[in-house]
Amino acid sequence: GENVEQHPSTLSVQEGDSAVIKCTYSDSASNYFPWYKQELGKGPQLIIDIRSNVGEKKDQRIAVTLNKTAKHFSLHITETQPEDSAVYFCAASKGNTPLVFGKGTRLSVIA
Amino acid sequence: KAGVTQTPRYLIKTRGQQVTLSCSPISGHRSVSWYQQTPGQGLQFLFEYFSETQRNKGNFPGRFSGRQFSNSRSEMNVSTLELGDSALYLCASSLSPAGSYNEQFFGPGTRLTVL
Repeated sequence: GENVEQHPSTLSVQEGDSAVIKCTYSDSASNYFPWYKQELGKGPQLIIDIRSNVGEKKDQRIAVTLNKTAKHFSLHITETQPEDSAVYFCAASKGNTPLVFGKGTRLSVIA
Repeated sequence: KAGVTQTPRYLIKTRGQQVTLSCSPISGHRSVSWYQQTPGQGLQFLFEYFSETQRNKGNFPGRFSGRQFSNSRSEMNVSTLELGDSALYLCASSLSPAGSYNEQFFGPGTRLTVL
């Protein structure tokens, strides 16, 4: 089955700097890659997703890139703010199978 | 539009007991998925229901079971609780079956502690 590895497990950045979180997946048939943000005491919330027919997608300060050949995808957050502090999860799916999540990255933005 | 609601939010049980958790999806959503979240293992898929039918099941023992009602509300049951079952149990709903490019909306979870 699919296996998703996520790195780093923790990340601290200064406010205004960029943050990058990387994930690799094992099943080359996976074609849907969402990213979720989980704040304390809340369930995960979708922040951006990408399908395998697209190499990059941006939404304001957030961007996701996908390299199908290498089977990895990354989340980029620019101009980080304290409210970006949370746990971020990547996930992968083949479109007709449940999402398989990475183990999460705890991002701390230091003011 | 109301979000996904889960009850209860917190639960304390002892080993050997059983527990039932409830999830009400967003109105109109027919797919409900359940996940177990622990610090060491992250989010692990338990099972998914769509229109009252179980579509997928994760790699969990038979002590974990679930069902979905005609109004799309779902329950999961854990029998003969073990210490290792202590976790945050998350429910997520979506319009279409999970994985079909449809956003999954998560509830706040039920924090289960087994003593």
